[in-house]
Amino acid sequence: KQEVTQIPAALSVPEGENLVLNCSFTDSAIYNLQWFRQDPGKGLTSLLLIQSSQREQTSGRLNASLDKSSGRSTLYIAASQPGDSATYLCAVRPSGSARQLTFGSGTQLTVLP
Amino acid sequence: DAGVIQSPRHEVTEMGQEVTLRCKPISGHNSLFWYRQTMMRGLELLIYFNNNVPIDDSGMPEDRFSAKMPNASFSTLKIQPSEPRDSAVYFCASSLGARGIEQFFGPGTRLTVL
Repeated sequence: KQEVTQIPAALSVPEGENLVLNCSFTDSAIYNLQWFRQDPGKGLTSLLLIQSSQREQTSGRLNASLDKSSGRSTLYIAASQPGDSATYLCAVRPSGSARQLTFGSGTQLTVLP
Repeated sequence: DAGVIQSPRHEVTEMGQEVTLRCKPISGHNSLFWYRQTMMRGLELLIYFNNNVPIDDSGMPEDRFSAKMPNASFSTLKIQPSEPRDSAVYFCASSLGARGIEQFFGPGTRLTVL
């Protein structure tokens, strides 16, 4: 059974810092990995999707990497801003016909002004 | 597009009552997913549909939970009878066809069962 772990559970940084969020998964047979952002009381917003054949994806100040063989992904946020404060979740989709995502428990990020 | 639409946004009910949550996926998407989020268990997939057909309902916790998708633009998740431990945020998500495509989430329904 796939297990997804995100460490740390919470992170607090001063504004302007570059930071890395970590995600690890136990079964490397994945089809893709997706990073989401969740604001308090809100739904999930998709940030980046990395296919298993890709090593990284970039969107603005965000860069996500994937090392499938070691079961790891990182989300790099450059020049953090208070508006980046949210919970960040990673989720993996298994290989095969299944479409469901297995989610990590998230990292709660606070960027201090 | 308005995105995935869920209703109601908040629901407070008493134990034993029937609860119906509603979801309208993004137009053109043919896969629909129901998730439940709690502090203890995080986000869990309950069931998903492809082309209106339930594909995997192994995440549905008990027979008290049922889901339907009568057409491509509407799905319901019903809990009957509801129990306090069903209190959670229920999310609906949709995606288009291929497995490689992103899932888009609705704002969720916060359910409180007293």
